[in-house]
Amino acid sequence: QVQLVESGGGVVQPGRSLRLSCAASGFTFSSYGMHWVRQAPGKGLEWMAVISYDGSNKYYADSVKGRFTISRDNSNNTLYLQMNSLRAEDTAVYHCARSMWGSKWLPCHSWGQGTLVTVSS
Amino acid sequence: SYVLTQPPSVSVAPGQTARITCGGNNIGSKSVHWYQQKPGQAPVLVVYDDSDRPSGIPERFSGSNSGNTATLTISRVEAGDEADYYCQVWGSSSDHSGVVFGGGTKLTVL
Repeated sequence: QVQLVESGGGVVQPGRSLRLSCAASGFTFSSYGMHWVRQAPGKGLEWMAVISYDGSNKYYADSVKGRFTISRDNSNNTLYLQMNSLRAEDTAVYHCARSMWGSKWLPCHSWGQGTLVTVSS
Repeated sequence: SYVLTQPPSVSVAPGQTARITCGGNNIGSKSVHWYQQKPGQAPVLVVYDDSDRPSGIPERFSGSNSGNTATLTISRVEAGDEADYYCQVWGSSSDHSGVVFGGGTKLTVL
């Protein structure tokens, strides 16, 4: 059974950094692309970034390009999102999600419950 | 960047058919995926590649995609279908714009 568990969220001041983690289990982590998707309070889903199964390809939303970095550790079945220069508008629940197939980016088949990031002074 | 447009809300009586649209420039040339999200829960994939259903999703959920509009159709709507629904595509292969979500549609079962 696929399981994705995010951690690392919390309250952080504007301009500071935070690193989120997503622990994966129940599947061969190194065979699938992985995504980060966020949802601000009361708002819709916003895609953040995707990384290929081997970490060689990465794409980002314009809103976080240059500030956020997606990475993965296939030996530890963990996905990361390094978030720098955080802004109030980055406040959201951050979900990690697994691609349905190893050969395609989409769709996002399995999702974690998310971790809340609050950017506030 | 590529934009997907959904109606903010759709209302339907139990047992009737709900249709949720997702508009985008020549969206018919893209693969569209649909997600259901209930309050406090993670999204669930209900339709992928325009019209395929993941295992465990009822046949009442179906999809179509042509021209500038993709549609999620929910037949014989039940109270448990009340949720937010989002469409999703890969924006553009030419500029690596990545993934795009529609703004979401709140389905209300009257």
